[in-house]
Amino acid sequence: EVQLVESGGGLLQPGGSLRLSCAASGFTFSNYEMTWVRQAPGKGLEWVSYIYKTGEPTLYADSVKGRFTISRDNAINSLYLQIDNVTAEDTAVYYCARGGFVSGWGDFWGQGTLVAVSA
Amino acid sequence: QSVLTQPPSASGTPGQRVTISCSGSSSNIGGNYVHWYQQVPGRAPKLLIYRHDQRPSGVPDRFSASKSGTSASLAISGLRSEDEADYYCAAWDGSVSGLVFGGGTKLTVL
Repeated sequence: EVQLVESGGGLLQPGGSLRLSCAASGFTFSNYEMTWVRQAPGKGLEWVSYIYKTGEPTLYADSVKGRFTISRDNAINSLYLQIDNVTAEDTAVYYCARGGFVSGWGDFWGQGTLVAVSA
Repeated sequence: QSVLTQPPSASGTPGQRVTISCSGSSSNIGGNYVHWYQQVPGRAPKLLIYRHDQRPSGVPDRFSASKSGTSASLAISGLRSEDEADYYCAAWDGSVSGLVFGGGTKLTVL
């Protein structure tokens, strides 16, 4: 059974940093592109970042470019999102999702982890 | 303001057929695959349709989708109460080099 489990969310102040993790199981992680999508409270879905199965290339939404960094460790089946210099607009549930250009966007999703930014 | 345009709401009675539209441009729907997601409130999104009209295994054939030009639509036939959810379309957009979503359509089963 495919499982994606996010962790690392929490409350932080503007300008702070956080590292989100996504533990994958039930499939060969190194064979799949991965994606982060976020959803602000009461709002729609917003694509955040993409990473190819080998770790490169990576892509980012303009709203997070230069502040967020996506990475992965295929040896331990894990996906990461380093979030730096946060603002209130980054408050959202962050989902990791399997897939991308090759395998389709988001055929499996994690349950999400909440990042709340407040002074 | 979302890049892809969806109606904010739709409704139908059990057994009815409803459609949800998704309008874009040549840089997204016009030139790339369209995908549809279902999100029950409080839950993670679920892939409903990928590559315009393909259903993942386990998705009932009551769900279908199509694309024409720079627009796409999702159809749900034999509407059931459990179909009450938010529905999102998405497509890669070459002009912004990103995956863009519609604003979502809240489907109410009356």
